[in-house]
Amino acid sequence: DTAVSQTPKYLVTQMGNDKSIKCEQNLGHDTMYWYKQDSKKFLKIMFSYNNKELIINETVPNRFSPKSPDKAHLNLHINSLELGDSAVYFCASSHYGTSANYGYTFGSGTRLTVV
Amino acid sequence: TQLLEQSPQFLSIQEGENLTVYCNSSSVFSSLQWYRQEPGEGPVLLVTVVTGGEVKKLKRLTFQFGDARKDSSLHITAAQPGDTGLYLCAGHSGGSNYKLTFGKGTLLTVNP
Repeated sequence: DTAVSQTPKYLVTQMGNDKSIKCEQNLGHDTMYWYKQDSKKFLKIMFSYNNKELIINETVPNRFSPKSPDKAHLNLHINSLELGDSAVYFCASSHYGTSANYGYTFGSGTRLTVV
Repeated sequence: TQLLEQSPQFLSIQEGENLTVYCNSSSVFSSLQWYRQEPGEGPVLLVTVVTGGEVKKLKRLTFQFGDARKDSSLHITAAQPGDTGLYLCAGHSGGSNYKLTFGKGTLLTVNP
């Protein structure tokens, strides 16, 4: 039973299109994240939601819009795709708390290729 | 912005060798985590260190958090081909900061 599942695994699309990536977690975590991993393998946070509330919004173009219908789901919609959006996008989840001991559980990623 | 520098960036060794990977920052972290990522998969948590000077062992892997909580190291003894992967350190600054900041990773290849 997959803990954090993302769909699709691969996404190839043309410039200018709009696409969505879906993420679901069955761990009972209350916080979910979207990270972008570039070609040099650098993982950079994009967004974080805690109990459906946006708590982190890094400097990301407003073509990217996250949506969290409930605390088990966090989707990412991208408008007007550009070549530079090509990357691997990872969804992750964790417990939220001041303990900071909580590790993240990552999905297996969505490889987005814009042509 | 808190930055985590990892070194070396790439490491290729023979099976049976020992190695150490470093993670350094000028900032203090409340905790630091190490992840391993294999091709086509997401990072998987290996360990979390919280206390300055803390040492944790996971089979042949030894993790250490620096006394000042600004740096960490990962030592692998008698590396095996199954250890091949991208090793990422990530730090929490604590308090109400929910953000985990990642280093750029060390890509380890263990040749049989």
